[in-house]
Amino acid sequence: DGGITQSPKYLFRKEGQNVTLSCEQNLNHDAMYWYRQDPGQGLRLIYYSQIVNDFQKGDIAEGYSVSREKKESFPLTVTSAQKNPTAFYLCASSQGGPGIGYTFGSGTRLTVV
Amino acid sequence: AQSVAQPEDQVNVAEGNPLTVKCTYSVSGNPYLFWYVQYPNRGLQFLLKYITGDNLVKGSYGFEAEFNKSQTSFHLKKPSALVSDSALYFCAVSSILYNTNAGKSTFGDGTTLTVKP
Repeated sequence: DGGITQSPKYLFRKEGQNVTLSCEQNLNHDAMYWYRQDPGQGLRLIYYSQIVNDFQKGDIAEGYSVSREKKESFPLTVTSAQKNPTAFYLCASSQGGPGIGYTFGSGTRLTVV
Repeated sequence: AQSVAQPEDQVNVAEGNPLTVKCTYSVSGNPYLFWYVQYPNRGLQFLLKYITGDNLVKGSYGFEAEFNKSQTSFHLKKPSALVSDSALYFCAVSSILYNTNAGKSTFGDGTTLTVKP
């Protein structure tokens, strides 16, 4: 089955630690996105990538980094510079273009301990 | 710029009654509009979209949405609600003038739908 796989489902981070969230898709989609979801605030765009080796900052990129070395993979690193990282993180992909909907992964819940 | 407003945080309906979840948008140029549903601790699932053509769009699980250009609205509807429809619903908008190839969508804050037996 084609889809997006996010791992791990739950992740715990200590203060000052970097962590990396995995996102892999086998849909052959060009565009990939990372969103952060907080209660009552909807989805906020962190980073997006239209093609391999290229990515752009979204609305809340500070404290995060990404890479797009392969079409299938778009990992997100939450760095120690992100002061409030506890949230639900969602990865999505699409064929690109404004009329194409997204396919979402099942999310990673990150908690700072 | 583009934006989406979902004016109701919560919508409660009785099973078997019709439901409406409201969405209004602001965008330059022609809008592309989407509805997604999210169950607890899961990703969003695509329900339906409006690109062009008929103002009434039919989607998954018996949902439909009506595009109204003059009111800049895209309300989600279902004639008869089920308890299993209880979930968080997101409206999203995109446009070719906001971004070309990226296809970035802007999401509303979500509306929690509760259907009571």
